[in-house]
Amino acid sequence: AQTVTQSQPEMSVQEAETVTLSCTYDTSENNYYLFWYKQPPSRQMILVIRQEAYKQQNATENRFSVNFQKAAKSFSLKISDSQLGDTAMYFCAFHTNSGYALNFGKGTSLLVTP
Amino acid sequence: NAGVMQNPRHLVRRRGQEARLRCSPMKGHSHVYWYRQLPEEGLKFMVYLQKENIIDESGMPKERFSAEFPKEGPSILRIQQVVRGDSAAYFCASSRGTGTEVYYGYTFGSGTRLTVV
Repeated sequence: AQTVTQSQPEMSVQEAETVTLSCTYDTSENNYYLFWYKQPPSRQMILVIRQEAYKQQNATENRFSVNFQKAAKSFSLKISDSQLGDTAMYFCAFHTNSGYALNFGKGTSLLVTP
Repeated sequence: NAGVMQNPRHLVRRRGQEARLRCSPMKGHSHVYWYRQLPEEGLKFMVYLQKENIIDESGMPKERFSAEFPKEGPSILRIQQVVRGDSAAYFCASSRGTGTEVYYGYTFGSGTRLTVV
């Protein structure tokens, strides 16, 4: 079975602080792709960052970075200098190289407070 | 350069009615995927289609649900005789292909929120 676990249903962080959202996944395949999506109240699924499993270097996109630990099957998201606009649900997901369906976790609701 | 277009954005149906959800993929994308998001849950894969073909419907309930992607026009997700448990957000995504094409080019629509009353 291919599963994604996000163990933090809700998190809160103050503006300008740093927060880390955790994600673990399970797959028997060796080649796969990992994603973090943001879903604001508008419901739009917005790609935040992605990582190819065969790349050891952690991906970064401006204030967003990941800590990818392949052996531990862990893919956490770090948000630096948090902004009020970062308030949203965050979903971790992956798909295998041979596949096409994204497997999603249940999400972490992040609230950024002034 | 329009993205994935879904309509309607909101749909209210009474129990027993039919719901039709439409999805137009991004220009140049011929692969369409439907997902369902139940309240407080992540998205769950339902079905994968290419033009005129259902490739994988393993995530779709066996009864009352059907999907199509005709040669001309949008992809349609059809739910017959809706029940309260069908209330959810339904998302469509599209890509140019699979594998790395999914990694680089998977694009989601804004979703249709179906409410069954």
